[in-house]
Amino acid sequence: GDSVTQMEGPVTLSEEAFLTINCTYTATGYPSLFWYVQYPGEGLQLLLKATKADDKGSNKGFEATYRKETTSFHLEKGSVQVSDSAVYFCALSDRQGKDSNYQLIWGAGTKLIIKP
Amino acid sequence: DGGITQSPKYLFRKEGQNVTLSCEQNLNHDAMYWYRQDPGQGLRLIYYSQIVNDFQKGDIAEGYSVSREKKESFPLTVTSAQKNPTAFYLCASSSIHMAPLHFGNGTRLTVT
Repeated sequence: GDSVTQMEGPVTLSEEAFLTINCTYTATGYPSLFWYVQYPGEGLQLLLKATKADDKGSNKGFEATYRKETTSFHLEKGSVQVSDSAVYFCALSDRQGKDSNYQLIWGAGTKLIIKP
Repeated sequence: DGGITQSPKYLFRKEGQNVTLSCEQNLNHDAMYWYRQDPGQGLRLIYYSQIVNDFQKGDIAEGYSVSREKKESFPLTVTSAQKNPTAFYLCASSSIHMAPLHFGNGTRLTVT
């Protein structure tokens, strides 16, 4: 079945550092890909998405490109801030069969800690 | 402001008691979901509902029950049959099934 694999955390960076959080996936169809962010004590918020190969999703300085050839959707930010400290989840939405409903498959989440 | 309201934020119960978690949305979304989040793990789907008066089991439905009598409301009951109920529970909704989800702020349930 479909799956999402994220790099294990926590990832600890200094403020203004460059961020990459790796996400790779396996899927039988043509999934849509998402990054969600969860700030401490809160629910998840959609950060960005991409619906087809080579699409780039971007929001709040974060970017991720849907790479079909490497089955990846890595999250990047050029200069992180303390306020970016959160847990980041990669997810894919795919139909499991022609007559099936779409399913949302989640990665385990990567905790990001930004030190001033 | 439209959104999803989960209440209460923290809930404590004794083992053997059923407990109901509330989820209300005013986004006019058709689909609603319940997820369970445990430390260091991704989200696991408990139940989902695509329309009123209909719902489907997710990956870990055992020990849980839901109802969807109104479009705005999707309460989750954690029954005494749930072996390990202590967790963070998240409710979500989407305009159509599996469109990007909008989440509530969660309920942290502790059962002792």
